[in-house]
Formats: sequence, structure tokens, C-alpha cells
Amino acid sequence: EIVLTQSPGTLSLSPGERATLSCRASQSLSNTYLAWYQQKPGQAPRLLIYHTSTRATGIPDRFSGSGSGTDFTLTISRLEPEDFAVYYCQQYDSSPRTFGLGTRVDIK
Amino acid sequence: QVQLVESGGDLVKPGGSLRLSCAASGFTFSDYYMSWIRQAPGTGLEWVSFIRNDGDDIYYADSVKGRFTISRDNAKNSLYLQMDSLRGDDTAVYYCARGHGQLEAWGQGTLVTVSS
Repeated sequence: EIVLTQSPGTLSLSPGERATLSCRASQSLSNTYLAWYQQKPGQAPRLLIYHTSTRATGIPDRFSGSGSGTDFTLTISRLEPEDFAVYYCQQYDSSPRTFGLGTRVDIK
Repeated sequence: QVQLVESGGDLVKPGGSLRLSCAASGFTFSDYYMSWIRQAPGTGLEWVSFIRNDGDDIYYADSVKGRFTISRDNAKNSLYLQMDSLRGDDTAVYYCARGHGQLEAWGQGTLVTVSS
């Protein structure tokens, strides 16, 4: 099973700042099949990024993904008030599909 | 627009059974793999099961294998999860989602509570 480790656990930032979230896999994702989701309280997760760097439909371009091998990054270029949420990475390179434990982005 | 609506969540005693349903609309259901994902209170996400569009490829997490059964009815645009021998650690919000790689659309979830 591929274990995904997200860091930091919590990121405290102000609106307008840049957010950099990390996701490290316990083994290389040969197909870079990694996705990122955003979840707000009381809501279902929402797909942001798939195949490491492809934005899902309707996702603003301030969200970007990058990485390869075992190290992946989600960047939010300038935080908007609606971006404060929990972010999860997920791999679908192999079964079982696994999620990271999440990074909470909260308002400083 | 794509819509997924789960139902069937309830309070059930340990050892009991429950059947969750997910009604899909806004897309050609029979063209897609579908999945069940769960989230225990205050914690992260766990992939429970997925099923291929024709029903012939099925995956279960080890934690539910032998107790849960995923199925679908393409004529009714519906996905199901039969849950037997329920345990306390099955308590979670259960989401249905479209896909088996990236999960492109999610329902709002249905709460399953296993407690005596």
C-alpha cells in the first residue's frame, strides 16, 4: 500500500498569500496518478487537480499542481477567502487507492 | 449537471446490516466506474470499494472485504453498497463518487452510525 504523507498538518496564512502544500509518497508513482481535493466543513471533497497537474473543470488557475516520483506539490498562488479549507492528496497509481491525512489551511 | 444523491444511512447495532444507495443523474451512468469512499468523524478519507461500468471489475478495501458488497443497476442509474456484520469502526459518512482514479464528482454523503 502506498502511504501518502502530507505536510504541514496546518498552514496559517493570510488572504493574498501563497500556499505551498506537500504530499510525499512512500514509493514512486510511475504514472504520476496523483490528485488533490479541497474539503470545506460539512461538504464533500471537490476535485481540484488530477494527473499531478491538470486542473479539473471550473477550477481557477490560482491552483496548480506539480511533482513526480514521490514528491508532489499543490500551490495556491494567492489565497482567496473561499480557499481556507482542508486539502487532501490521493494516489491512483495502484490499488488500494490511498489518501493523505490532509493539510488544513486556515486564516492567520 | 452531474448529481449523485446517497441515501440509506442510519443508526445500526454492531453486527447489523445496512444498504446504501446512490442515485446518479446528469451523465451516462453506464459509461463510468463508480466508487464508495468513507470518512469517519473528524478524520480523513478511506476508499471503500469501486465497480467497473459493466460490474465485472470490483475492488474492496481489506477493512471491508467479505462484509461489504458493491453493486450497480445501470437501468436505474443507481449504485449500491450492502454492508453486513457492521462494526463500530464502520461509523462514517459514506460518499459515492464517479470514477476509480481521480474522483470527478461526489455526492453529499450519508451518515452510518454503528453503536449499541
